[in-house]
Amino acid sequence: SYDLTQPPPVSVSPGQTASITCSRNKLGDKYVSWYQQKPGQSPVLVIYQNTKRPSGIPERFSGSISGNTATLTISGTQAMDEADYYCQAWDTSTVLFGGGTKLTVL
Amino acid sequence: QVQLQESGPGLVKPSETLSLTCNVSGGSLNNSYFYWGWIRQPPGEGLEWIGSIYYRGSTYYNPSLKSRVTISLDMSKNQFSLKLRSVTAADTAVYYCARDAYYYDSSGYSCWFDPWGQGTLVTVSS
Repeated sequence: SYDLTQPPPVSVSPGQTASITCSRNKLGDKYVSWYQQKPGQSPVLVIYQNTKRPSGIPERFSGSISGNTATLTISGTQAMDEADYYCQAWDTSTVLFGGGTKLTVL
Repeated sequence: QVQLQESGPGLVKPSETLSLTCNVSGGSLNNSYFYWGWIRQPPGEGLEWIGSIYYRGSTYYNPSLKSRVTISLDMSKNQFSLKLRSVTAADTAVYYCARDAYYYDSSGYSCWFDPWGQGTLVTVSS
């Protein structure tokens, strides 16, 4: 089991908005990061500190957090966004990861 | 631009010690803004943080692995290393090293991993 809860696979049509959630009790008191991992590749940071995008990450990637849930939103989803997405947080001197959500762009 | 590269044996026998090294180029380990971390991913599964080390040598480890893990620095080579003792088949995974950035303010502490190495598969088998 994983310390952060992510949903089962998500499907979206090209051009639509994809939302992937990450939940844990009192997660809203924490900072959450998100990673994209394509098959056979290393994870890539797409969001940190809940809402910030690293340089080079497209503007269609955004993050938010409220209550016990953080959300990664991909607006105008493209075929290249098909990947596994992982959330990550820090709590009590420990790094936590979610179990990952596979995003399929149909 | 910082780059990280893992190296080490791809096959380890059960009960032995897994040893990996991460070479850092394009930047120095001797940097107060970052920790340096290890994360692993069993085949077909999700990510698991193993532990991180600060340039001064302080470490923090995943409680579930703490009794078997040691992470250390070699400043002269700009490398950091992982040792995982008494391995079993459950330790078979792709092992990644990554730069662990951190920040804290009135809202709390945050950390994130960027960039990551390419990863190295370690299989535990006799």
